[in-house]
Amino acid sequence: GAVVSQHPSWVICKSGTSVKIECRSLDFQATTMFWYRQFPKQSLMLMATSNEGSKATYEQGVEKDKFLINHASLTLSTLTVTSAHPEDSSFYICSAPGTSGIWVQYFGPGTRLTVL
Amino acid sequence: GQSLEQPSEVTAVEGAIVQINCTYQTSGFYGLSWYQQHDGGAPTFLSYNALDGLEETGRFSSFLSRSDSYGYLLLQELQMKDSASYFCAVRGNTGGFKTIFGAGTRLFVKA
Repeated sequence: GAVVSQHPSWVICKSGTSVKIECRSLDFQATTMFWYRQFPKQSLMLMATSNEGSKATYEQGVEKDKFLINHASLTLSTLTVTSAHPEDSSFYICSAPGTSGIWVQYFGPGTRLTVL
Repeated sequence: GQSLEQPSEVTAVEGAIVQINCTYQTSGFYGLSWYQQHDGGAPTFLSYNALDGLEETGRFSSFLSRSDSYGYLLLQELQMKDSASYFCAVRGNTGGFKTIFGAGTRLFVKA
């Protein structure tokens, strides 16, 4: 089956620093990946669509200069939270669409970010 | 725009059957999906309906009525491990066909 990995699984950083999260599709190619943010007991909020070889598409209200997305290859997308603040603390999850013909998203295990 | 509505919480006993409903509004429709998420974990795909009717996968079934913009997830022979959040989702018709998720239904299974 399709596997998506994420690294790191958790990170604690100081306010003002930048944090990079990697999302990899391990056994399939993903020209598109999605980045979500989830607060406790809430739904997944789509932040941006990452496109291999082109700029990411950000959802309304998401600061593109704060959440930098780079889709460097067909198997890797990165999300960098720049100048992180405590309000950026959240669960960040990436996903990639499957290629089997039905619309299914394969999710990474998520990254728990805590900004002190 | 697109929006989905589902109940916030459902409680049921072990061995019972529970139905989680989802109504949606979307300008273009490609299908309704269901995902399960345990606390602290990532969502996992359960089922997908593109056409009207019932899809069965083991203890889980999903139903879709496109004319009513309505679907449901049916969980049978409930087990304690089924306690989780369940999200319905629709595929967008713009911007890379992103997936839009409902707010989620927390299912509590009691012994």
